[in-house]
Amino acid sequence: GENVEQHPSTLSVQEGDSAVIKCTYSDSASNYFPWYKQELGKGPQLIIDIRSNVGEKKDQRIAVTLNKTAKHFSLHITETQPEDSAVYFCAALPGGNMLTFGGGTRLMVKP
Amino acid sequence: GAGVSQTPSNKVTEKGKYVELRCDPISGHTALYWYRQSLGQGPEFLIYFQGTGAADDSGLPNDRFFAVRPEGSVSTLKIQRTERGDSAVYLCASSEPGTGGRNQPQHFGDGTRLSIL
Repeated sequence: GENVEQHPSTLSVQEGDSAVIKCTYSDSASNYFPWYKQELGKGPQLIIDIRSNVGEKKDQRIAVTLNKTAKHFSLHITETQPEDSAVYFCAALPGGNMLTFGGGTRLMVKP
Repeated sequence: GAGVSQTPSNKVTEKGKYVELRCDPISGHTALYWYRQSLGQGPEFLIYFQGTGAADDSGLPNDRFFAVRPEGSVSTLKIQRTERGDSAVYLCASSEPGTGGRNQPQHFGDGTRLSIL
């Protein structure tokens, strides 16, 4: 089955700096890659997703890049703000409907 | 509009007891998913419903776990003879019908935190 690795597990940045989280996946059949933000006591919230026919997607301060050849994808957050502090999860969908998640990255943005 | 609703938000029970966890999906979403999230880890897939039928239950850990969705809307996850290792957050997600083989984004509820004493 699919295996998703996520790095780093924790990331601390200064407010206003950029943050980058990277994920790799194993199943070349995966064609959909969402990113979720999870705050304490809440469920995962979809923040951006990308499909395999696109290399990059941007939404305001958030962007995701996908390299299908290397089987990795990354989340980029620019101009970070304290409210960006949360746990971020990447996921991959190898066909079907079962998302496989990475282990999560705890992002801390220091004011 | 209203998001995915899960009840109860917290459940504490003793080892060996039976529990039921409820999920109300977003209106109009035909697909419903259950995931389990242990502390410090990402969610893990349990079961997927398309309409009333379980299309994929490959993630259920054993036969103590069962889920139903009798009318194609609300779903109940049932756990018999609970064990301490069942303690986790149980998340439900729903999505719109996919078209042309293209899946739709999954939207999650806030989960039920289950603690087995």
